[in-house]
Amino acid sequence: KQEVTQIPAALSVPEGENLVLNCSFTDSAIYNLQWFRQDPGKGLTSLLLIQSSQREQTSGRLNASLDKSSGRSTLYIAASQPGDSATYLCAVGVRGGGNKLTFGTGTQLKVEL
Amino acid sequence: SAVISQKPSRDICQRGTSLTIQCQVDSQVTMMFWYRQQPGQSLTLIATANQGSEATYESGFVIDKFPISRPNLTFSTLTVSNMSPEDSSIYLCSVEDYERVHVNEQFFGPGTRLTVL
Repeated sequence: KQEVTQIPAALSVPEGENLVLNCSFTDSAIYNLQWFRQDPGKGLTSLLLIQSSQREQTSGRLNASLDKSSGRSTLYIAASQPGDSATYLCAVGVRGGGNKLTFGTGTQLKVEL
Repeated sequence: SAVISQKPSRDICQRGTSLTIQCQVDSQVTMMFWYRQQPGQSLTLIATANQGSEATYESGFVIDKFPISRPNLTFSTLTVSNMSPEDSSIYLCSVEDYERVHVNEQFFGPGTRLTVL
């Protein structure tokens, strides 16, 4: 059974700092990996998706990497802003009647002024 | 990306009753999914809903408790039956973007926050 863990569980940084969020998974036979953010009381916003054949994806200040063999992904956020404060979730997808996602435990990020 | 809406956004229900949650998408999608997020926890997949066929449930979830309908390519419902306080959660639907199905990126609705008293 796939298990997805995210470290740290919570993180508080000053504005402008670069930061890295970590995601690890136990079964390397994944189809893709997706990073989301969740604001309090809201749904999920898709940030980046990395296919299993890819090593990284970039969108603006965000960069996600994937090392399937070691079961790890990182989300790099450059020049953090207070608006980045949210919970970040990684999810690994496996095929089988649709792309079923197994979610990590989440990292709660707070960017302070 | 697909735009997804859910109704109701939140509800407070009495033990033993049932609630039906609606999920509407602004474009045709093949696969729809229902997830549950219990307080302080991450998301867990309940079932996959494919148009024209019975929903496929994950281990620990059964059709009698969570019946799902998928009448067309833009709509699905999830019913939480015979509710107990343990069913208090956020329920989210998601879709795979039909036009980008080869990418399999999933998009989520805003969620339905359910409290059972």
